[in-house]
Amino acid sequence: DAGVTQSPTHLIKTRGQQVTLRCSPKSGHDTVSWYQQALGQGPQFIFQYYEEEERQRGNFPDRFSGHQFPNYSSELNVNALLLGDSALYLCASRLGTATLNTEAFFGQGTRLTVV
Amino acid sequence: QKEVEQNSGPLSVPEGAIASLNCTYSDRGSQSFFWYRQYSGKSPELIMFIYSNGDKEDGRFTAQLNKASQYVSLLIRDSQPSDSATYLCAVNRVRDTGRRALTFGSGTRLQVQP
Repeated sequence: DAGVTQSPTHLIKTRGQQVTLRCSPKSGHDTVSWYQQALGQGPQFIFQYYEEEERQRGNFPDRFSGHQFPNYSSELNVNALLLGDSALYLCASRLGTATLNTEAFFGQGTRLTVV
Repeated sequence: QKEVEQNSGPLSVPEGAIASLNCTYSDRGSQSFFWYRQYSGKSPELIMFIYSNGDKEDGRFTAQLNKASQYVSLLIRDSQPSDSATYLCAVNRVRDTGRRALTFGSGTRLQVQP
């Protein structure tokens, strides 16, 4: 089992550009959540997808959008990049009906640097 | 006031000592509490969870919860240099199954000196 996989691992973009990050959930998982972790901070919840719809959203602007595909994989899109978007982007997956109501499976993250 | 607060540290303890990490939360409706360990440049790893007041032990780790005082702590006994990492506290408003987002603290950096 490959666990949660994210791509790419590192990315450098210029202010104003757009970026797409990808996540494949652990086998058997149907729910994907995205978190942003700035340097020295804890992860901040961006949004969560299941059944191909955004179900919950944190306090992030509309520049942050996402998608979930029928195979449960997910994308995070960020438009009009700002320097402050530089962070580690974490994807977490779970089986929505699992009794443990937390994120137990994180991907290795995508380190985004905006210059 | 942040929803989940932790001292950023670093907390430095000698090898073999007990490391005590603390976390306070503001939402009295919080029901579930979690501790994650995060090594530098890596993703968070779940190490403990606790739902009820009192202590919960798992190996060298003990989680303590006091809902009346709104704090949760993590004790690490016989600390090892390999325990050196950032420890993140996270809370969830619900306890039942379901898809709820976590709220994380900023983490406490622990350094275990050989």
